[in-house]
Amino acid sequence: GESVGLHLPTLSVQEGDNSIINCAYSNSASDYFIWYKQESGKGPQFIIDIRSNMDKRQGQRVTVLLNKTVKHLSLQIAATQPGDSAVYFCAEKGAQKLVFGQGTRLTINP
Amino acid sequence: DTAVSQTPKYLVTQMGNDKSIKCEQNLGHDTMYWYKQDSKKFLKIMFSYNNKELIINETVPNRFSPKSPDKAHLNLHINSLELGDSAVYFCASSQVGPLAPEQFFGPGTRLTVL
Repeated sequence: GESVGLHLPTLSVQEGDNSIINCAYSNSASDYFIWYKQESGKGPQFIIDIRSNMDKRQGQRVTVLLNKTVKHLSLQIAATQPGDSAVYFCAEKGAQKLVFGQGTRLTINP
Repeated sequence: DTAVSQTPKYLVTQMGNDKSIKCEQNLGHDTMYWYKQDSKKFLKIMFSYNNKELIINETVPNRFSPKSPDKAHLNLHINSLELGDSAVYFCASSQVGPLAPEQFFGPGTRLTVL
């Protein structure tokens, strides 16, 4: 079956530091992965995606890395800001649906 | 100019009641979804509709009945509400096709069953 898991449920970082959020997936046939950000009281918001034919993709202050050998996905946030405080979800594309991971809560220390 | 909207944002009701949550998207997407997010933030799909047709029903109790009057709307009706139905319900939409599976989420409806 499909499952997407996260290594750490919570992550606390200093403002200005880089954040790395990890995700493990089990379906080696998945060809598409997404990271979502969910702020308190809001719905999940798309951050960045990556297809299985890529190892790395960069956006504005965010980078997603995909290691298909160990079925691992990570989201790197550069120069973390207070506005980055949220729960982050990885999701993999399954048959006609997205399968979401557990979520990691990122908190920023001033 | 909200992309995916839901009403109401909060819903508090007694056990046994029937309630509905409405969802509308103005993105022109063909596919809409309902998700349930529990207290531990776990997000699980319940239903998906494509052009008003049911595509996914993830073993949700038949007390939950989605209705799609047109492809821009997907409403969720819940009969005989139970305590375990308390959660945040999210509507989402996406375009069809392998190149654009990204889903856009609404702001959520927090349902509390007393």
